[in-house]
Amino acid sequence: EPEVTQTPSHQVTQMGQEVILRCVPISNHLYFYWYRQILGQKVEFLVSFYNNEISEKSEIFDDQFSVERPDGSNFTLKIRSTKLEDSAMYFCASRATGWVRYEQYFGPGTRLTVT
Amino acid sequence: RKEVEQDPGPFNVPEGATVAFNCTYSNSASQSFFWYRQDCRKEPKLLMSVYSSGNEDGRFTAQLNRASQYISLLIRDSKLSDSATYLCVVNAGGTSYGKLTFGQGTILTVHP
Repeated sequence: EPEVTQTPSHQVTQMGQEVILRCVPISNHLYFYWYRQILGQKVEFLVSFYNNEISEKSEIFDDQFSVERPDGSNFTLKIRSTKLEDSAMYFCASRATGWVRYEQYFGPGTRLTVT
Repeated sequence: RKEVEQDPGPFNVPEGATVAFNCTYSNSASQSFFWYRQDCRKEPKLLMSVYSSGNEDGRFTAQLNRASQYISLLIRDSKLSDSATYLCVVNAGGTSYGKLTFGQGTILTVHP
């Protein structure tokens, strides 16, 4: 069964450093998303991406964040200057086009720890 | 009012029990509804979509009441493996490109 993959599974970084989280969505999917979940809190939407551009972003997704689809398979989230409050689980998700009722499939996540 | 609100839980039930989770959503324009389950420190996994007419998948039954903006999930004959956090999830539809809004989750523990 096709699945979304993410690397690394765990990233530890120092405050102020840049991190890039990587995702490989399901191959025939065209909508891509990043969500995050701070420990003990609910899953929160960050950004959606379609046709090589951001289609929607949340208030969390400020100028420190960027997304890119550098090739036909990878989808990345970059945080330019990490803060302590960026520590969270980051999930990538993807969905197909067409009448599939917006079902999104999530990757296993990257646990980001900012020290 | 929270965008998606769930029963606070936690629910602690014996194997074989029937358990029901409730959820309400605030955006009347919402178009798609889901139940996901999340195991500790893992990703949300799609359990089932929720259709207007109600739908069933084995031991799981989901219901949607658009007029009341209410969604439910019924689990019959609970198994130990059903222990997880159940997430009520709503997609606003329209031009939102599928942004999902999650409830805070309800923890279910099934014990022997």
